[in-house]
Amino acid sequence: QKEVEQDPGPLSVPEGAIVSLNCTYSNSAFQYFMWYRQYSRKGPELLMYTYSSGNKEDGRFTAQVDKSSKYISLFIRDSQPSDSATYLCAMKGIQGAQKLVFGQGTRLTINP
Amino acid sequence: DAEITQSPRHKITETGRQVTLACHQTWNHNNMFWYRQDLGHGLRLIHYSYGVHDTNKGEVSDGYSVSRSNTEDLPLTLESAASSQTSVYFCASSPNQNSPLHFGNGTRLTVT
Repeated sequence: QKEVEQDPGPLSVPEGAIVSLNCTYSNSAFQYFMWYRQYSRKGPELLMYTYSSGNKEDGRFTAQVDKSSKYISLFIRDSQPSDSATYLCAMKGIQGAQKLVFGQGTRLTINP
Repeated sequence: DAEITQSPRHKITETGRQVTLACHQTWNHNNMFWYRQDLGHGLRLIHYSYGVHDTNKGEVSDGYSVSRSNTEDLPLTLESAASSQTSVYFCASSPNQNSPLHFGNGTRLTVT
């Protein structure tokens, strides 16, 4: 079993929809949680960074962490065609930066 | 603006040749990383460095080497390129152990 599981999709939704992207994990020591967006032929770009549990909002994006369920989510409100990309979750514990574990990514398409 | 740049963006080489991929960051970050990204495997850590003259092996280090002679650069060398090393390679950096990574835009390497 992988430490981090992420549905690879693809996920296709109409413009304006609310999108929910999710990752589950097995390591209860994870404390730092990230979401990256990756456009085709580009590097991953940091979207959200949270520590421990709770919610964090940034514009149309909301990240949620539920450590009791070992589950994290990224919500995109009023989705736009420019949100079409692959979304990667990543997480780590308090150990070194090399211990960052990535999900496999979910490919998202927003249809105009 | 500070950034991280990778060169070349695309490279085609033959089996058995030595290849070096460049990574240069202007953030003055101590930590630098090399990942490869393949379908079905996601991002996998090849090598990492926590400072000048420090280098460490990651999850998939066989056939690769790095050197860190200054803060800004971490070149990745494929000693004798193999077809299994055809991949997209990403360099990343971070200022400390718990900060998120900032990625370059990748080098697409094809070994024929």
